[in-house]
Amino acid sequence: NAGVMQNPRHLVRRRGQEARLRCSPMKGHSHVYWYRQLPEEGLKFMVYLQKENIIDESGMPKERFSAEFPKEGPSILRIQQVVRGDSAAYFCASSPPGQGDNEQFFGPGTRLTVL
Amino acid sequence: GQQLNQSPQSMFIQEGEDVSMNCTSSSIFNTWLWYKQEPGEGPVLLIALYKAGELTSNGRLTAQFGITRKDSFLNISASIPSDVGIYFCAGLIEDSNYQLIWGAGTKLIIKP
Repeated sequence: NAGVMQNPRHLVRRRGQEARLRCSPMKGHSHVYWYRQLPEEGLKFMVYLQKENIIDESGMPKERFSAEFPKEGPSILRIQQVVRGDSAAYFCASSPPGQGDNEQFFGPGTRLTVL
Repeated sequence: GQQLNQSPQSMFIQEGEDVSMNCTSSSIFNTWLWYKQEPGEGPVLLIALYKAGELTSNGRLTAQFGITRKDSFLNISASIPSDVGIYFCAGLIEDSNYQLIWGAGTKLIIKP
């Protein structure tokens, strides 16, 4: 049973470039969540997606950030025109469909460094 | 926004000692989750709690969902070197079934 997979594990970008972070949920899971973590802090919710739907993006900055979870393929978190403040670890989690199961399983994260 | 206060921030303990950490909030939670995160990795779920007063164990780990639904604690008995890491509490508030609110973590360090 493969867990949640994220790639790349490390990503270095220069200011102004685009960053694309990918997440493949666990098999059978149709709910995907993206979180951001700064050093020495807990995770901060960004966005919750189901297949082809953004359910809640209240934690995501209004500009430069977007997320999708297409019918086929991984979920993508896209950051356009990156700035130094975007440097962080970005974690994806997934959970199975249906109500009542609130356990989210996390991937290993993508560590983004903006030079 | 909602906040979780997790304490202590860090713990230096001897191997074999018991460890206790907790999370409190002014908000009511309907789920508490305890995760462990090791350097360079994502959080791994240790224990999930769904009912006020619930006490759940996972090996040497025991966690409880506070009666007031505003707090939770995690105990680790007879700590071993592989317990080192950062432990996070995370909770789901009453009106959400997916948006986890996270504590800032408790870093556990075992003295040689």
